[in-house]
Amino acid sequence: NAGVMQNPRHLVRRRGQEARLRCSPMKGHSHVYWYRQLPEEGLKFMVYLQKENIIDESGMPKERFSAEFPKEGPSILRIQQVVRGDSAAYFCASSEGAGANVLTFGAGSRLTVL
Amino acid sequence: ELKVEQNPLFLSMQEGKNYTIYCNYSTTSDRLYWYRQDPGKSLESLFVLLSNGAVKQEGRLMASLDTKARLSTLHITAAVHDLSATYFCAGCLKAAGNKLTFGGGTRVLVKP
Repeated sequence: NAGVMQNPRHLVRRRGQEARLRCSPMKGHSHVYWYRQLPEEGLKFMVYLQKENIIDESGMPKERFSAEFPKEGPSILRIQQVVRGDSAAYFCASSEGAGANVLTFGAGSRLTVL
Repeated sequence: ELKVEQNPLFLSMQEGKNYTIYCNYSTTSDRLYWYRQDPGKSLESLFVLLSNGAVKQEGRLMASLDTKARLSTLHITAAVHDLSATYFCAGCLKAAGNKLTFGGGTRVLVKP
């Protein structure tokens, strides 16, 4: 079991470009969560998805950010027109179900906006 | 809304001594987690505490939960250099699924 796979691990974008971050959950996990970690801070919840459904997006900025978890393929966090303040580590986690006790985190994708 | 606060934010430890990290949360949390993060790496799950009075131990680390005081502690016994990392606690409301609310982290540096 390869665990939660995220790519790319590092991404550099210039202001105004788009960033796409991918997350493949652990085998058998159908629930995906995205968190953002700013330097020297804790993780902040962004969005919770199941296959083809957004369950909770209360932590997502209203503009420029979107997430999806299609029937086939990885979950994608998309940031349009990136700004310097978007520079952060974006972590994906997965679980078997909503009632599962433990989330397994991926290694993260570190976005740098120049 | 659940809020989680850790202290201290930074802890410089001497090898061989004992230390405690505190995690306070603002409202009833159905579960309390402790994670470890090494620089530039992901989060490693250490403990999940589910009920009042729960105590779990793994090696030099021991975590406990007091739901009445809304407090969890992570106790480090006889610190060693390998324990240098950032430790996070996180709470979770059952109604929110597995949406975790993290504390700000405690950065631990163990010096010889």
